[in-house]
Amino acid sequence: DAGVTQSPTHLIKTRGQHVTLRCSPISGHKSVSWYQQVLGQGPQFIFQYYEKEERGRGNFPDRFSARQFPNYSSELNVNALLLGDSALYLCASSLDGRILRSGNTIYFGEGSWLTVV
Amino acid sequence: AQSVTQLDSHVSVSEGTPVLLRCNYSSSYSPSLFWYVQHPNKGLQLLLKYTSAATLVKGINGFEAEFKKSETSFHLTKPSAHMSDAAEYFCVVSDITSGTYKYIFGTGTRLKVLA
Repeated sequence: DAGVTQSPTHLIKTRGQHVTLRCSPISGHKSVSWYQQVLGQGPQFIFQYYEKEERGRGNFPDRFSARQFPNYSSELNVNALLLGDSALYLCASSLDGRILRSGNTIYFGEGSWLTVV
Repeated sequence: AQSVTQLDSHVSVSEGTPVLLRCNYSSSYSPSLFWYVQHPNKGLQLLLKYTSAATLVKGINGFEAEFKKSETSFHLTKPSAHMSDAAEYFCVVSDITSGTYKYIFGTGTRLKVLA
């Protein structure tokens, strides 16, 4: 079975531009999350979506937005890019039911490397 | 609030010697804890997880971790390091407050294995 797939794998953008990152979860997984990993740090939670609804949002500005589609795939959008947005963006999926369980495992994709110049 | 602290940013061991990567946690409820590994330019791979069952958890590639509530620790160990173990390791606690399920990551420990 395919794991979490993300595209593109690498991209370079200019300050002020917009970027869209895409993610397909593991088949059967209904929850998708996005994390930002700045070089040398641990990943930071950005969003969680379940059944096309935003379930949670981390401490990120409104320039960051996301959505989930009926097939459970997801997009992360970042507007007005800043140099500080340069990072590895990780998508993750989980077999998340309506009842949150703290032991649910989250499976990560290999990420999209974004460089803002 | 949930948090984890990885006590060492870098650890160096010789091939064939034991590995110890330290992690302390803080949790307002019975925690679920994980260790993930990230090889260079790769995504995150789950090594093992603790979810209030056995306190000694065995994972992949010979790694194991012991949950110690009295010490609020969840250290990762391996009896004998291999060159392929060189990577970044993250201790993680899950957070289910506010109707959101998310991971809280530590700052990572970079493991170097010397030949």
